[in-house]
Amino acid sequence: SQQGEEDPQALSIQEGENATMNCSYKTSINNLQWYRQNSGRGLVHLILIRSNEREKHSGRLRVTLDTSKKSSSLLITASRAADTASYFCATDPAPGANSKLTFGKGITLSVRP
Amino acid sequence: DVKVTQSSRYLVKRTGEKVFLECVQDMDHENMFWYRQDPGLGLRLIYFSYDVKMKEKGDIPEGYSVSREKKERFSLILESASTNQTSMYLCASSLGQGTSGKYEQYFGPGTRLTVT
Repeated sequence: SQQGEEDPQALSIQEGENATMNCSYKTSINNLQWYRQNSGRGLVHLILIRSNEREKHSGRLRVTLDTSKKSSSLLITASRAADTASYFCATDPAPGANSKLTFGKGITLSVRP
Repeated sequence: DVKVTQSSRYLVKRTGEKVFLECVQDMDHENMFWYRQDPGLGLRLIYFSYDVKMKEKGDIPEGYSVSREKKERFSLILESASTNQTSMYLCASSLGQGTSGKYEQYFGPGTRLTVT
């Protein structure tokens, strides 16, 4: 079952612009994670934000979490052509001792040089 | 750095063949996962394992089985491959025996399987 739903499904921006991607989910979570996937490759973990956190930064990435709205956003600032990839959010549903990550369907980001 | 390797990047098999996909991780992770990824459907969990010889069904286990005889190795088996199993298969590992959702997952490069 898939819980996280990313929005938009596809995004095309110019190099240097900021890219904002959103993820909504239905049930309570322990944490939410964002991953990147370059074409035809495996996923790479970007950032994990716990349910008691509101914002996290990692380099040009900024992730926010609003548990009251059950949503998260990933902001990539000053985008580069190398940021072209698919981005997935994954949720760890709560409660649950044997919780497993549930991935969304992904957002395709194209950054034009 | 964690490294997760998969035995093949591309594989072509015939309908009815038995197919083995191998995954090896080098970081002593307790948890290992097999996903399939299809356009428009995202990642779907087939099976996961939180310890040697332990396995649990994911969301789409039908037509698949798994084997984990050693901690570092997790195999996905298609007993009798069918065309609807043509897909990208991704293996992953993580810390946290059982509580896998609380840790980041490390993915292999994927195996693109075509069943003709």
